[in-house]
Amino acid sequence: AQSVTQPDIHITVSEGASLELRCNYSYGATPYLFWYVQSPGQGLQLLLKYFSGDTLVQGIKGFEAEFKRSQSSFNLRKPSVHWSDAAEYFCAVGARGGGADGLTFGKGTHLIIQP
Amino acid sequence: EAGVAQSPRYKIIEKRQSVAFWCNPISGHATLYWYQQILGQGPKLLIQFQNNGVVDDSQLPKDRFSAERLKGVDSTLKIQPAKLEDSAVYLCASTLLGTHAGRGYTFGSGTRLTVV
Repeated sequence: AQSVTQPDIHITVSEGASLELRCNYSYGATPYLFWYVQSPGQGLQLLLKYFSGDTLVQGIKGFEAEFKRSQSSFNLRKPSVHWSDAAEYFCAVGARGGGADGLTFGKGTHLIIQP
Repeated sequence: EAGVAQSPRYKIIEKRQSVAFWCNPISGHATLYWYQQILGQGPKLLIQFQNNGVVDDSQLPKDRFSAERLKGVDSTLKIQPAKLEDSAVYLCASTLLGTHAGRGYTFGSGTRLTVV
């Protein structure tokens, strides 16, 4: 069965500083990988996704993530955070192929931005 | 294009009562998912439909939860009877047929259920 680990429950970053959120996954082959963001009271918004090709993927809002097969990781980065980036961030893995392809999510990382 | 619509937005019920949530996916999206998100956790898949057929319901507590997608469009998720631990946000998502998870989903805003 697939699983996702987000080791950091909370991260505090100063506005303008760089950010890296960690994600490790467990899956038998190369999975589909996603990062979603959830603001208070809001639904989930897709930041970026990886399913093949270039292992460095660009997303919305200036985010990027790098797939590292050898480390089973898919860490999210942003060079300079803004106060509006404060939210909950979820990493997710999805199975390839047809049929059952529901996502397995990590427990999330709560990002706090200091002025 | 309109997003995934869910209603109600909030619901408070007493334990042992029943409750139902409704989801209308994006037009043309054949695959529909229900997720449960307990406070402080990531969403957990409850059930996946493709058109009006169930693809995966392995994590659905079938003794109390049921879901249907008549006519392959909108869907209803029901809990009967509710327990305190069912307090959560119930999210609906949809995606195009044949694109699987690789294309990503569109999520609705969710229904927040509080069981007291």
